[in-house]
Amino acid sequence: DAMVIQNPRYQVTQFGKPVTLSCSQTLNHNVMYWYQQKSSQAPKLLFHYYDKDFNNEADTPDNFQSRRPNTSFCFLDIRSPGLGDTAMYLCATSRGLGGGSPLHFGNGTRLTVT
Amino acid sequence: GQQLNQSPQSMFIQEGEDVSMNCTSSSIFNTWLWYKQDPGEGPVLLIALYKAGELTSNGRLTAQFGITRKDSFLNISASIPSDVGIYFCAGQISSASKIIFGSGTRLSIRP
Repeated sequence: DAMVIQNPRYQVTQFGKPVTLSCSQTLNHNVMYWYQQKSSQAPKLLFHYYDKDFNNEADTPDNFQSRRPNTSFCFLDIRSPGLGDTAMYLCATSRGLGGGSPLHFGNGTRLTVT
Repeated sequence: GQQLNQSPQSMFIQEGEDVSMNCTSSSIFNTWLWYKQDPGEGPVLLIALYKAGELTSNGRLTAQFGITRKDSFLNISASIPSDVGIYFCAGQISSASKIIFGSGTRLSIRP
């Protein structure tokens, strides 16, 4: 089945220790997104790639970076995680940016910063 | 910025009851989406709406795109235990704008 796969499902890291989360897709979608979701809140968009074009949200901290080496993979790098970065991180894809392209989410990586 | 007001925040249901939740905004949207999220999982798309007045069903779920384009509702008929979860509405104002999420409706089974 075509899908969005995130690894790992759970990640624990220490304060200040860099961490990388990965996402892969078999949908061949043009757009890949990273969302942060804190407990009982809506997902918050961090950034997205349309093909190789990177689009950062204005309020995304510099601590969060992303890479998309090819169509199928996208990575979220947190350079110096703080306790406040503990959250679920969701990867999503869409065919395009238009209204006919709903988001398809992976199952998320739950990150705990200790 | 644009906001989606989703209500209710939470609700308790008894198995077999019908459920209704909605999203409203002061802005006009051209797309409405409804997602369900189970604990520890990513949101799953339930229904997508693209035209004002559109009424779409997916099994026991029915969603409508409001005529004013500023609201949408989701109904669940004859609820069952696996309907428990958080339901998010999401909308897009234009092709160039990002998808905005509501704050979610948490559905629980009344003991």
